Amino acid sequence: DSGVTQTPKHLITATGQRVTLRCSPRSGDLSVYWYQQSLDQGLQFLIQYYNGEERAKGNILERFSAQQFPDLHSELNLSSLELGDSALYFCASSHYGGDSNYGYTFGSGTRLTVV
Amino acid sequence: TQLLEQSPQFLSIQEGENLTVYCNSSSVFSSLQWYRQEPGEGPVLLVTVVTGGEVKKLKRLTFQFGDARKDSSLHITAAQPGDTGLYLCAGVSNTGKLIFGQGTTLQVKP
Repeated sequence: DSGVTQTPKHLITATGQRVTLRCSPRSGDLSVYWYQQSLDQGLQFLIQYYNGEERAKGNILERFSAQQFPDLHSELNLSSLELGDSALYFCASSHYGGDSNYGYTFGSGTRLTVV
Repeated sequence: TQLLEQSPQFLSIQEGENLTVYCNSSSVFSSLQWYRQEPGEGPVLLVTVVTGGEVKKLKRLTFQFGDARKDSSLHITAAQPGDTGLYLCAGVSNTGKLIFGQGTTLQVKP
């Protein structure tokens, strides 16, 4: 157990639908990062939140959004889902907001299948 | 855009063999990290190398950071079936974020 909790573990939904993925960071970590992992694209950085505020954006689609709540858990919202959104979505956390040299702790991921 | 290229993409070897995985870029990174990912799990940090030329050892795994901080290698001695997994290198970009390579899938057969 890495200490980063992601729910649900699996999600199957239809095209056009909206889903919410949830992440609880490791105790004491203030930063949450969302990554998308697909076979052809590898691990792609989506977005980072630090202590409730958006810190950095990566290759996140406009149909996707995220937020971090006062208790530091984060949610990733995916809307108007397309078949190509099927992937593994990982949440990672770290204590620091700007220094990635210490590495990230990853959750076990949510496998999203859009049918 | 800073990119990391890993080679080989796939590696299938017999137990007891040695192997090396490479992680290359045309860009300089402030540090490079190596992660290992098993099916159904998230990546787990193995090591971080920060100084050009740095060598770190973790049991049978040896990690090296290139002198110019643009490349890194992972060498496994006497591979075991338990070493099977996806090995990812990740560089800290000039924006402070982690950029991952595509990964090397290693299969060690008993």
